Amino acid sequence: GNSVTQMEGPVTLSEEAFLTINCTYTATGYPSLFWYVQYPGEGLQLLLKATKADDKGSNKGFEATYRKETTSFHLEKGSVQVSDSAVYFCALEGAGNQFYFGTGTSLTVIP
Amino acid sequence: KAGVTQTPRYLIKTRGQQVTLSCSPISGHRSVSWYQQTPGQGLQFLFEYFSETQRNKGNFPGRFSGRQFSNSRSEMNVSTLELGDSALYLCASSLVPGAAAYEQYFGPGTRLTVT
Repeated sequence: GNSVTQMEGPVTLSEEAFLTINCTYTATGYPSLFWYVQYPGEGLQLLLKATKADDKGSNKGFEATYRKETTSFHLEKGSVQVSDSAVYFCALEGAGNQFYFGTGTSLTVIP
Repeated sequence: KAGVTQTPRYLIKTRGQQVTLSCSPISGHRSVSWYQQTPGQGLQFLFEYFSETQRNKGNFPGRFSGRQFSNSRSEMNVSTLELGDSALYLCASSLVPGAAAYEQYFGPGTRLTVT
């Protein structure tokens, strides 16, 4: 079956630190992979996506590369800001367009 | 363009009651998906509707049901509420199914509390 596992939080970083949030998946076939972000008091928003192996999704300084060999889609940012404080969700879209989300990783960036 | 709207935003119900939540997708969007978000389980897929037909259903009991109307608005119903049904219920819409090509836009959610 399909599933997504992402690193437990919460994660607390100082401003300008490097961020990595790990995400691995189990899937049949070749899913599309996504990162969504939920800012405090707001709904989920698409952050980035990758639809095939070796694709790199990027947005707002965040990047993630679809690694089929390691079934991973780790989220990275070189220098986080206070405004990046949010909950981040890794997700996959499997057959029939059904979505599977990870449990979310809460990130707090302190000045 | 107005975003996805969900009503009501907050709801308190008693065990055993039933509840209906509503979702209005972005104008022109015909696909609507529902998710349950809880601290312990994260986001779990409930069901997806497209052109008034349920395309997919997640692993939830039959107490959870939904429908979509000809104007693409969707409702979900939970009967015989249990304490464990307390959650944030999120609705998402897209032009057609397939988030790889067509972005899903999420509503703010309905916070259901069962006492």
